[in-house]
Amino acid sequence: ETGVTQSPTHLIKTRGQQVTLRCSSQSGHNTVSWYQQALGQGPQFIFQYYREEENGRGNFPPRFSGLQFPNYSSELNVNALELDDSALYLCASSSGLFYNEQFFGPGTRLTVL
Amino acid sequence: DQQVKQNSPSLSVQEGRISILNCDYTNSMFDYFLWYKKYPAEGPTFLISISSIKDKNEDGRFTVFLNKSAKHLSLHIVPSQPGDSAVYFCAASFEGSDKLIFGTGTRLQVFP
Repeated sequence: ETGVTQSPTHLIKTRGQQVTLRCSSQSGHNTVSWYQQALGQGPQFIFQYYREEENGRGNFPPRFSGLQFPNYSSELNVNALELDDSALYLCASSSGLFYNEQFFGPGTRLTVL
Repeated sequence: DQQVKQNSPSLSVQEGRISILNCDYTNSMFDYFLWYKKYPAEGPTFLISISSIKDKNEDGRFTVFLNKSAKHLSLHIVPSQPGDSAVYFCAASFEGSDKLIFGTGTRLQVFP
């Protein structure tokens, strides 16, 4: 059974650019959540996808968007990057709604210059 | 507004002793609480959880205590081992929601 994987591991972008981060959920999991962890902070909930539909969103602007595919993998897209978007982006999968024990990937470290 | 707070950024404990990590929360509607452990370059790993209807949950060396009246929970690790050295995050969620609200973390160092 493979765990949650994320790509790329590290990414450097410049302000104003767009970025796409990818996540493959753990086998058998149909729910994916994305979190942003800034330096020295805990992870902050961005949004969640359940069976390809957005199911809940945190306090992030619309330039943060996502997709979930039929195989339950997911993408996080960020447009018009800002310096404050520099953070570790974590993807977590779980086996269904209301199942609180989420399994996290190693994250993608995004640096915006 | 930080709904889940971990006021101790770091803790240092000798191997074999007890480690106690603390977490406070402000929202009485939280239904479920979790502890995650994070090593460098890895994602957080689920450690132990507790429902709001309980006041204690134990799993091997790890015990979580919940005091709803004080809106406080703690994680006890006994005995502490060097491999326990990591950042520990407290998290909470509402009933029927997978959204986790994390604290800022406590870095635990267990020394020989």
